Amino acid sequence: AQSVTQLGSHVSVSEGALVLLRCNYSSSVPPYLFWYVQYPNQGLQLLLKYTTGATLVKGINGFEAEFKKSETSFHLTKPSAHMSDAAEYFCAVSAFTGGFKTIFGAGTRLFVKA
Amino acid sequence: SAVISQKPSRDICQRGTSLTIQCQVDSQVTMMFWYRQQPGQSLTLIATANQGSEATYESGFVIDKFPISRPNLTFSTLTVSNMSPEDSSIYLCSADENTEAFFGQGTRLTVV
Repeated sequence: AQSVTQLGSHVSVSEGALVLLRCNYSSSVPPYLFWYVQYPNQGLQLLLKYTTGATLVKGINGFEAEFKKSETSFHLTKPSAHMSDAAEYFCAVSAFTGGFKTIFGAGTRLFVKA
Repeated sequence: SAVISQKPSRDICQRGTSLTIQCQVDSQVTMMFWYRQQPGQSLTLIATANQGSEATYESGFVIDKFPISRPNLTFSTLTVSNMSPEDSSIYLCSADENTEAFFGQGTRLTVV
């Protein structure tokens, strides 16, 4: 079974500052890991994903995440926050069980201050 | 990438009634998934729908409340039965393709 823990339901940063959203996972099999973003009243958008291979994954809008197996972590970072990054971010894990059932973390709301 | 269409996009329903949500994928997929997103919360998996077999429900969800059909490899329905205000949520359909989950835009349900 898989599970995801996102540390911090709310994160606030200043515009131009580093964004760090934390995610730890649990999986009994090699996991696939994802970060999704959801803007108010909109659907989910995939930011990036890790399946196999390089552990540092780059996504859209300047975001990246690093898969650290020893720490069971998949933290999301962006060097410089922009006002438009304000949204809800979901970390998710899936593993092949006949198909890929995706389990979501509770989400982290990112606030960006001018 | 798979394109998923859901309808209706939103509805306001009376308590005690039922609503059926349709989900259409533009390609054949083995498994489809139904999620619920309650206001201000994350996505919770309701069930996994396989073609030709009964859906598999997650803990806390039962077939009588959320019956699911999966008549073919591109289509599924979720019915929210005997609705109460607590069922007010966004319901999302999902399918996986090449290890990635794709989502419909969701159905925003309000029960009054």
